[in-house]
Amino acid sequence: DTGVSQNPRHKITKRGQNVTFRCDPISEHNRLYWYRQTLGQGPEFLTYFQNEAQLEKSRLLSDRFSAERPKGSFSTLEIQRTEQGDSAMYLCASSFGGGNSYEQYFGPGTRLTVT
Amino acid sequence: GQNIDQPTEMTATEGAIVQINCTYQTSGFNGLFWYQQHAGEAPTFLSYNVLDGLEEKGRFSSFLSRSKGYSYLLLKELQMKDSASYLCAAGNQAGTALIFGKGTTLSVSS
Repeated sequence: DTGVSQNPRHKITKRGQNVTFRCDPISEHNRLYWYRQTLGQGPEFLTYFQNEAQLEKSRLLSDRFSAERPKGSFSTLEIQRTEQGDSAMYLCASSFGGGNSYEQYFGPGTRLTVT
Repeated sequence: GQNIDQPTEMTATEGAIVQINCTYQTSGFNGLFWYQQHAGEAPTFLSYNVLDGLEEKGRFSSFLSRSKGYSYLLLKELQMKDSASYLCAAGNQAGTALIFGKGTTLSVSS
């Protein structure tokens, strides 16, 4: 397994357009997380899935954001009607929710630029 | 409220030892994590402390005091490749989200 993968790696879009990002977690990991990171800041938690269930959402996740993990494997994050403030690196992470292991493995991220 | 504080920048020379401190205040706590992030790359896991004390892993060690809301990451025998941002993160009570600090940018010079 090569780790968590994310596509696309870069996305440039115009304000008002919709964008969708994909995350493929490590295959045996049942937990999946989305974070957003802006320059000079640490990652900020957006949402969490256990298998296909979305169990936690941050207040940062406005109505324009939606995430899915339909079969408990890959996940998508969609941003509707993008705004310039959405420009950031969107990171996906996965972990195996067993025992006391909470280590999250991060993907390379999708860098979104809204013009 | 939730707050993670760590210094913004630190500098050190090759071969030296550096300690990066982190204080945290969270409404729930489920362990303290340290991640390394090189510019333009994803964070990579360094250490996890859930009990008080020191965890040693090669050149890196991490310490936790839950009563003081304090942790540090100790890097020994610094190398140029250790130049990176070091992120302190607290696990939330449910063991789901990580709450990150802003990161400490470490610059190692020769």
